[in-house]
Amino acid sequence: EDQVTQSPEALRLQEGESSSLNCSYTVSGLRGLFWYRQDPGKGPEFLFTLYSAGEEKEKERLKATLTKKESFLHITAPKPEDSATYLCAVQVETSGSRLTFGEGTQLTVNP
Amino acid sequence: NAGVMQNPRHLVRRRGQEARLRCSPMKGHSHVYWYRQLPEEGLKFMVYLQKENIIDESGMPKERFSAEFPKEGPSILRIQQVVRGDSAAYFCASSPSGNEQFFGPGTRLTVL
Repeated sequence: EDQVTQSPEALRLQEGESSSLNCSYTVSGLRGLFWYRQDPGKGPEFLFTLYSAGEEKEKERLKATLTKKESFLHITAPKPEDSATYLCAVQVETSGSRLTFGEGTQLTVNP
Repeated sequence: NAGVMQNPRHLVRRRGQEARLRCSPMKGHSHVYWYRQLPEEGLKFMVYLQKENIIDESGMPKERFSAEFPKEGPSILRIQQVVRGDSAAYFCASSPSGNEQFFGPGTRLTVL
């Protein structure tokens, strides 16, 4: 069975304190790995797609990387507005285009 | 370009009633997905549709739940004879190609 595990469950940072979120996966043939941001009471907002090991993508203070077993979301010099739940999801070759999500990491950035 | 639209945003039903959730995909997107987020749980896939076709319904409960995406109009997720355990946030996502999926704001269903 395909599994996606995110860690930590929750993370508190001070403004400017860089850190990384982890997403480890066990799947039978990765098609793509996706990162989303979800604010309370809203739908997930698409951030990145990664398709192959070694791939990296950046957007403002966020950088996503992918290896054969896990992905990292690096947050550089975070600001309070980066506070949200960050979700990782995978698409698997044997499961069509549906997404399998992890439980998420709840990030709080204090000013 | 308007995003994925869902309505209603909040829906309250009594046990045994029917719930109809609507989703209009982004312009040019022909792939529609429904996901459910139960309280304190992660997002779970329910069903994947393209115009007039159900492609993958492996995540749909076998009874009381149905989905459609007609040639004209929004996609509809229908829940018959709702029970308290159906209370959740239901999200629709659309995609132009079946890869990146863009989510709507969700419908929060409360069953009394």
